Amino acid sequence: GAVVSQHPSWVICKSGTSVKIECRSLDFQATTMFWYRQFPKQSLMLMATSNEGSKATYEQGVEKDKFLINHASLTLSTLTVTSAHPEDSSFYICSANKNTEAFFGQGTRLTVV
Amino acid sequence: AQTVTQSQPEMSVQEAETVTLSCTYDTSESDYYLFWYKQPPSRQMILVIRQEAYKQQNATENRFSVNFQKAAKSFSLKISDSQLGDAAMYFCAYRRFRSGANSKLTFGKGITLSVRP
Repeated sequence: GAVVSQHPSWVICKSGTSVKIECRSLDFQATTMFWYRQFPKQSLMLMATSNEGSKATYEQGVEKDKFLINHASLTLSTLTVTSAHPEDSSFYICSANKNTEAFFGQGTRLTVV
Repeated sequence: AQTVTQSQPEMSVQEAETVTLSCTYDTSESDYYLFWYKQPPSRQMILVIRQEAYKQQNATENRFSVNFQKAAKSFSLKISDSQLGDAAMYFCAYRRFRSGANSKLTFGKGITLSVRP
């Protein structure tokens, strides 16, 4: 099956700093990628849809300036959490579709201290 | 808009027994995909099984099978011969049929399945 790789798998940062998370499709091209946030024991909450070569589409209630998304190539999308605060601590997951199936990255656990 | 409902937050099953996880959904479309995903403690999302709405036959993957009732908009997952490794969070998900690469999944709230040895 297709592979989506997400990096880093975990990160700890200081409050006020920015953190970048990468999502790569390793063996297929992905014009669209999805970014989710997940709290413990809860479902995946779609944050935004990343589109190659154009602006991301954010879900209602998601701060565009807080969560910057860049989809610079057909295999790479990045999520930057800017000026991170403890409330941004969470598990972030990316996914990309190949044909009719979604493939997920391993997820990134972000802890802001 | 489509919605997916998983009303049971937790379930438990004895090892080697069978368990059924429930899911209902709401849509005005006639063609779509339904999925069950497993999220073990590693938190890697794993596709368990998928069902195309236009297919009447219920999908089966080894110990996993679904009961797809299109008219009732119900999509339950049956796990037979439960194993300790089946312990995980399970999510039911919906996706539009006329989808391209930009088609998103709509997830239910998930259910935590524990397996008793």
